[in-house]
Amino acid sequence: DGGITQSPKYLFRKEGQNVTLSCEQNLNHDAMYWYRQDPGQGLRLIYYSQIVNDFQKGDIAEGYSVSREKKESFPLTVTSAQKNPTAFYLCATKRERDYNSPLHFGNGTRLTVT
Amino acid sequence: SQQGEEDPQALSIQEGENATMNCSYKTSINNLQWYRQNSGRGLVHLILIRSNEREKHSGRLRVTLDTSKKSSSLLITASRAADTASYFCATDSPSNTGKLIFGQGTTLQVKP
Repeated sequence: DGGITQSPKYLFRKEGQNVTLSCEQNLNHDAMYWYRQDPGQGLRLIYYSQIVNDFQKGDIAEGYSVSREKKESFPLTVTSAQKNPTAFYLCATKRERDYNSPLHFGNGTRLTVT
Repeated sequence: SQQGEEDPQALSIQEGENATMNCSYKTSINNLQWYRQNSGRGLVHLILIRSNEREKHSGRLRVTLDTSKKSSSLLITASRAADTASYFCATDSPSNTGKLIFGQGTTLQVKP
């Protein structure tokens, strides 16, 4: 999706290091989401934010942290406490005021931790 | 928590045939959405059906929703090789407003 930029596309880190994944949007959407995708599984929600300076834990928040200082940006930090961080990470946005609006996704960051 | 269960997990058909994927869910919903994912890419929204709707069409896509059975189906007619992708259903429920819960997906292969 041209309106959501995730960087980098591929990221390699050594075990024990924290790493931050970037998500920037120019869609002027209020809500932003981080999902994790593992092979053979669907998407699982890590964190989401419906407004600047506020965010909530999703289903698998342990070992992750986020911030929402600007409407356009919602970075995700994968900490050394995350036991199995290797995965495909997807950022999404939603026009929150429209109750039935869909999610818009970035093209993901594939994180490999060795 | 995974709300949606999709069936089949994998589907292989010839170009020109129809492809049907099913999704079942557990709790009441506001709407159900279908997304497509090409390998290594983000998801793309295909169609949204509200809880008070029973059928919706978009081009070669037809989605049905049966709230009494808590199930939905996605039909792709006259499939093309370019339809090869993974397809996911996702539900937005009153108890989880703002949080879409995704199924595990159906991988569709369309052979030319």
